[in-house]
Amino acid sequence: GQQVQQSPASLVLQEGENAELQCNFSTSLNSMQWFYQRPGGSLVSLFYNPSGTKQSGRLTSTTVIKERRSSLHISSSQTTDSGTYLCAMFSGGNYKPTFGKGTSLVVHP
Amino acid sequence: NAGVIQTPRHKVTGKGQEATLWCEPISGHSAVFWYRQTIVQGLEFLTYFRNQAPIDDSGMPKERFSAQMPNQSHSTLKIQSTQPQDSAVYLCASSLQQYFGPGTRLTVL
Repeated sequence: GQQVQQSPASLVLQEGENAELQCNFSTSLNSMQWFYQRPGGSLVSLFYNPSGTKQSGRLTSTTVIKERRSSLHISSSQTTDSGTYLCAMFSGGNYKPTFGKGTSLVVHP
Repeated sequence: NAGVIQTPRHKVTGKGQEATLWCEPISGHSAVFWYRQTIVQGLEFLTYFRNQAPIDDSGMPKERFSAQMPNQSHSTLKIQSTQPQDSAVYLCASSLQQYFGPGTRLTVL
């Protein structure tokens, strides 16, 4: 079946350090998306990134569709970046979404 | 723009009772997705509608779960004869670009 592998499962940083989160997809995909979820909160879209590189502030997403992978780079991490980062792939004619298990990020002051 | 509205925010039911969860998508959005989130399983796709028509319900448990979208302004997820394993946060998202609501936390005692 369709799978989305996220790594690492968890990450602990000191404020100011950079982070690199990865997603690998087992099948071809139409598009993918990165989300952020604060503990107890809902999901907020960070990037809708079918291919190429997109940047928003300290966040950069790079997706290589033909290699079935995407990365999320967080530069100069802050304590407010703590939370869970999830990626999702959308595939097939029905555009069905499949989510990864997420990366839990903790940034210490 | 109030965003995606989900009601109730919290619901507690006894085993065997019925639970109906409501989702009001963002006005003008033609797609509505339903998900279930637990710590163990993560975020699981249940079903989705586009222009009120069911597109993919492959994630829905075959028994006891049903979803409808009778008009553009709301969708419902109904769980009959709730079981403790149905306890989860049920999330609704609007649009193919996934604008999530705050979720309904269902607890089955």
